[in-house]
Amino acid sequence: SYELTQPPSVSVSPGQTARITCSGDALPKKYAYWYQQKSGQAPVLVISEDNKRPSGIPERFSGSSSGTVATLTISGAQVEDEGDYHCYSTDSSGNQGGIFGGGTKLTVL
Amino acid sequence: QVQLVQSGAEMKNPGASVKVSCKASGYTFTDYYIHWVRQAPGQGLEWMGWINPKSGDTNYAQKFQGRVTMTRDASIITAYMELSRLTSDDTAVYFCARGTVYWGKGTLVTVSP
Repeated sequence: SYELTQPPSVSVSPGQTARITCSGDALPKKYAYWYQQKSGQAPVLVISEDNKRPSGIPERFSGSSSGTVATLTISGAQVEDEGDYHCYSTDSSGNQGGIFGGGTKLTVL
Repeated sequence: QVQLVQSGAEMKNPGASVKVSCKASGYTFTDYYIHWVRQAPGQGLEWMGWINPKSGDTNYAQKFQGRVTMTRDASIITAYMELSRLTSDDTAVYFCARGTVYWGKGTLVTVSP
């Protein structure tokens, strides 16, 4: 079955650049979406369609995709950016099913 | 503004079924798919399926085929997700989402004898 693979954790100091990757065989043909989730809250979309930033999301969040890897970049990470980040995409089978990566815990300290 | 208001927490016995509701407001209900996603304690997000509120067409993740039913009642702008034959592994927060952007706050379903 199709999978999206993320690193379990990423750690950076405040002001540094955090990069979180998401690997999947269908990513060359399918968009990646990125969600931020803080404890006890619903996920919040921070990047859509590989690299589009929704209204209200800080400019330090950006996305890119190359080949089978999508990347979420947080330039100048802030303490408030700590949380879990999940990538989402659709599978390549044509049935438009969705799939999430396993999630990455970002620590900023 | 777009809002998705979900029903309250549920506690169920193993083998029972649960039905979670998701009431939409702030947009045309039939214009956007409703997705259901769950999150077990300490785990990642798991996509369960979607329903097209306009046609009623559904698409379920293979893992839940035969056990999940997604429906909608457009007259009261509400989508439903029913999961049957519950086990302790189904203990999770269940979210509805309008497309990829707007999410409900989640409904905790606890399965315990």
